[in-house]
This record gives sequence, C-alpha cells and structure tokens, in this order.
Amino acid sequence: DIVMTQSPDSLAVSLGERATINCKSSQTVLYNSNNKNYLAWYQQKPGQPPNLLIYWASTRESGVPDRFSGSGSGTDFTLTISSLQAEDVAVYYCQQYYSTPYTFGQGTKLEIK
Amino acid sequence: QVTLKESGPVLVQPTETLTLTCTVSGFSLSTAKMGVSWIRQPPGKALEWLAHIFSDDEKSYSTSLKSRLTISKDTSKSQVVLTLTNMDPVDTATYYCAREYCGGDCYHSYFAYWGQGTLVTVSS
Repeated sequence: DIVMTQSPDSLAVSLGERATINCKSSQTVLYNSNNKNYLAWYQQKPGQPPNLLIYWASTRESGVPDRFSGSGSGTDFTLTISSLQAEDVAVYYCQQYYSTPYTFGQGTKLEIK
Repeated sequence: QVTLKESGPVLVQPTETLTLTCTVSGFSLSTAKMGVSWIRQPPGKALEWLAHIFSDDEKSYSTSLKSRLTISKDTSKSQVVLTLTNMDPVDTATYYCAREYCGGDCYHSYFAYWGQGTLVTVSS
C-alpha cells in the first residue's frame, strides 16, 4: 500500500497569511504514460463530508477559490492557501488514487492564530 | 445533479454483518469508467478507503479489510451495496460513498461527489 504522510498535523495561521500543508507519498504517484500525478486534496469541515479542492495535484476544482493551489510531483506535494480566511478553518487531507488500495493522509487541522 | 445517499442501520451488534446501500442519481452506474467507492471515518479520525466497484464490475478492496468486505452493484436500481462481516466496536464510523469517474486519459480518478455519510455504531 502507498503510505501518505502529511505535515504538520496541525497548523495555526493568522488571517490573511499563507498556510502551507505538505504531503509525501511512499511511492511515486506520477503515471508516466500520461504525465499525471494521481493526487487530490480535500477540505473537511465538522459534520460534513470531504470537499474536493485540488486534483491531478494542481488542478483546482470548479468553484474553489483561487487562494487554494496545489503543487508538487512524484512523491512530494503541497497545498497552499495564499491568504487565510476564517472559512478555511478545517481539516485537510491528501489522497492518492494512483493505485488501489487508495490511501489518505492522516489529516492536517488548520486553525486561526 | 449528481447525488449519492447512504442508507443502512445506525446500530449493529458485535459479530453481526453490516449492509450499507448507496443510492445514486444524476448519473448511471453503467457509464464507462464510472465507479463508486466506500470510505469510512471513525469519530475524530482520518478517512479510510474501503472498496470500489466500476461499471465493468472491476472491484478492489482495502488490504486490511479485504477478507470481510464485499461490494456489489445493481445498475437497474442505481445502487451500490457494501457488506462488512464480523463487526467490531472499532468499526464504529461514518461511512461515505463517493463517485469516481475517469472520463478521459486516466484509469483511476478522484472523488468529486460524496454522500452525506451515515454513522454506524457497533455496540451490544
């Protein structure tokens, strides 16, 4: 199984500041034949299902604010929130869909400082 | 619009078998490369992928739960069913179903649509 490790486990950032969450996979999730990274990011607020933010490592889902961006390739990935808003308080998960069983990171809890 | 809805018991006794149903609308389970996954989340913990099934009946399972899981679909009813045998209190979780659709140059895909989830408690 591919192990997904996120860092940090929790993060406190001031409103308007940048938030950065890292995700590392134990094996590459880059599929060479189509040059796509099979990596997604989700946001989950209490009592709600996860909400897709980013797929193919860097493609923003429709309707997601442009302050959210994803980067990275191979085994190392980053989710960046350029200017933290109050509504961004949530737990964030990365997920690989390169191979089954699909696996998620342990989650990063983002709070306001 | 695309919707998924989970249904099943809220309380299960230890050693019993859990049967959950995901009823979908807004898309067809027979569309090529269309898949539905089950994912669970114990209270306060991380997401755990359990299984998926595709339109061509391809199935995959969690490594650690493979011996206890079965996934199936009824395309005519737009339903995907998950069974988990020998339930234990550690299986207490919110169970989600989610759509996986690869419409282009890919073989697996992300989860753009999720159900609201159903909380299953295992207790005597």
